[in-house]
Amino acid sequence: AQKVTQAQTEISVVEKEDVTLDCVYETRDTTYYLFWYKQPPSGELVFLIRRNSFDEQNEISGRYSWNFQKSTSSFNFTITASQVVDSAVYFCALSYMDSNYQLIWGAGTKLIIKP
Amino acid sequence: DGGITQSPKYLFRKEGQNVTLSCEQNLNHDAMYWYRQDPGQGLRLIYYSQIVNDFQKGDIAEGYSVSREKKESFPLTVTSAQKNPTAFYLCASSMDRAYYNEQFFGPGTRLTVL
Repeated sequence: AQKVTQAQTEISVVEKEDVTLDCVYETRDTTYYLFWYKQPPSGELVFLIRRNSFDEQNEISGRYSWNFQKSTSSFNFTITASQVVDSAVYFCALSYMDSNYQLIWGAGTKLIIKP
Repeated sequence: DGGITQSPKYLFRKEGQNVTLSCEQNLNHDAMYWYRQDPGQGLRLIYYSQIVNDFQKGDIAEGYSVSREKKESFPLTVTSAQKNPTAFYLCASSMDRAYYNEQFFGPGTRLTVL
């Protein structure tokens, strides 16, 4: 089965702490894409990153970084020096060639950053 | 500015009424999607359209209908056949049908059935 698991339902940290959100995926395809989206309290999902299955380089964008490991089928997201504005629900998603153009979504992780 | 607009932001409906949610995009995207989100849960696909005058059912299409007469517009009708329509509805678009394209989302419509 093709699926995405975000085992952490909710994470709460104090501002300035580092935090990692886990994403584990399952797919039979060798060619696939992984995505992270942020959903702040306003509700609109914001695209953060896309990674294809052939590119295992880690990515860093400011305080955000992503660790893609095919060996463990994981695509984890780390926020360094968290801020209150990072409070949101974060979704991981998977797409693959035979997914009929659909995204397979994880259940999301609610991140609470306390001041 | 390019983007996706959804209206209204909040919508109240009486039981037994049909209601239409608007979704418009000016990104020149071919593909458009409707998702439903229930409190504390992820996104579930209702319908998607890869091109004008064509659309496909997603995982939870029962009780919903759509049309795609124009590239920019993909309205969703929640019919009285939908047993539990109270939810947050999100519209999205992507450049084309390619599976590697990211989706861009509108601000959502929160529907409450009274």
